[in-house]
Amino acid sequence: EVQLVQSGAEVKKPGESLKISCKGSGYTFTSYWIGWVRQMPGKGLEWMGIISPSDSDTRYSPSFQGHVTMSVDKSISTAYLQWSSLKASDTAMYYCARQGLGISLDYWGQGTQVTVSS
Amino acid sequence: DIQMTQSPSSLSASVGDRVTITCRASQSISTYLNWYQQKPGKAPKVLIYTASSLQSGVPSRFSGSGSGTDFTLTISSLQPEDFASYYCQQSYNSPYTFGQGTKVEIK
Repeated sequence: EVQLVQSGAEVKKPGESLKISCKGSGYTFTSYWIGWVRQMPGKGLEWMGIISPSDSDTRYSPSFQGHVTMSVDKSISTAYLQWSSLKASDTAMYYCARQGLGISLDYWGQGTQVTVSS
Repeated sequence: DIQMTQSPSSLSASVGDRVTITCRASQSISTYLNWYQQKPGKAPKVLIYTASSLQSGVPSRFSGSGSGTDFTLTISSLQPEDFASYYCQQSYNSPYTFGQGTKVEIK
């Protein structure tokens, strides 16, 4: 069974750093790109970017380029999304998902809630 | 970036109704269009990929059509479990942008 399991909810202060994770199982992790999607409270889905677990090639949305960093550790089938300096506006649910058929996102993690508040 | 515009933003329908949601791209995206369903507090789920291909396990009452710039998602007979938000997404050019969503509510 394909599964993506994300790390737990985080509460941080503005300016702090954060790294959240997404562990894949039940498939060959290096064969499928991993995408990240943001959903702010009460809002729609925003595509942040994708990363190839095989060679760490990345594609960022211009809206997120420079503010977040995607990475992978293929030895443990885990993708990461990190911030060096959080803002209150980063408060959102963050989902990882596997990029499958038709470049759709066919399997999703359960989401990681990030709350940034002073 | 390619802009995706869904209509309507919300709709009210009854169980058994035929429901159609449209999605328009700001430029041609061939058939690189996906549809997702999201229920409150849950992760999205893919329903349709490449405009008209039904994801495995998705009920056949869901169908998709279109190419170029105009696409539709149709639910042939709305069921209680279909009340949710629906999003289109283009996967033609990065960034693979989503539409703003359509909320399907109970009439």
